[in-house]
Amino acid sequence: EAGVTQFPSHSVIEKGQTVTLRCDPISGHDNLYWYRRVMGKEIKFLLHFVKESKQDESGMPNNRFLAERTGGTYSTLKVQPAELEDSGVYFCASSPEGPFEAFFGQGTRLTVV
Amino acid sequence: RKEVEQDPGPFNVPEGATVAFNCTYSNSASQSFFWYRQDCRKEPKLLMSVYSSGNEDGRFTAQLNRASQYISLLIRDSKLSDSATYLCAVLGGYNFNKFYFGSGTKLNVKP
Repeated sequence: EAGVTQFPSHSVIEKGQTVTLRCDPISGHDNLYWYRRVMGKEIKFLLHFVKESKQDESGMPNNRFLAERTGGTYSTLKVQPAELEDSGVYFCASSPEGPFEAFFGQGTRLTVV
Repeated sequence: RKEVEQDPGPFNVPEGATVAFNCTYSNSASQSFFWYRQDCRKEPKLLMSVYSSGNEDGRFTAQLNRASQYISLLIRDSKLSDSATYLCAVLGGYNFNKFYFGSGTKLNVKP
């Protein structure tokens, strides 16, 4: 069975540009989470989808970040415009019910220069 | 104050050693606790859930101390393959839908 897949694995963009990260959860998993780890800090929650609905977006840093999950399948996280402090590793996780059996993707390493 | 705190290490131990990590959490209402393992530049992978009564899985034992608000992970007979970063995670949020992670403890097992 395929795990959680994220694309791209790496992205280097200039400050002010736009980047879109994609996450394909495990098939059948209604819950999808985005997390982020910035340099030297712990992994932090960004938001949580149940199917296509945002259940909790309390961790989104500001309105430069927009997450969508159209159709309740894959999700995208867009950063526009990117700032230097957005650099880090963005993880996606999915689970069938709640976060207990959450499986993480390998992450997208974003570098803003 | 951080929700979850861990000693970053590194812990450098010889093969066969026993090593223990602690992790403290700030929210006394927390109910669910986990240890994740993360290899370099890889995703976190669930190692163990931590139950009130403690639980054991082979060489790994996890324990919860509610009174002092910490969880522990004990690794016996360390293997080279145990080298990784161990992340403590606590479920939180208004509907306990998200993990609060510690910054991780790095373990290096040497031959």
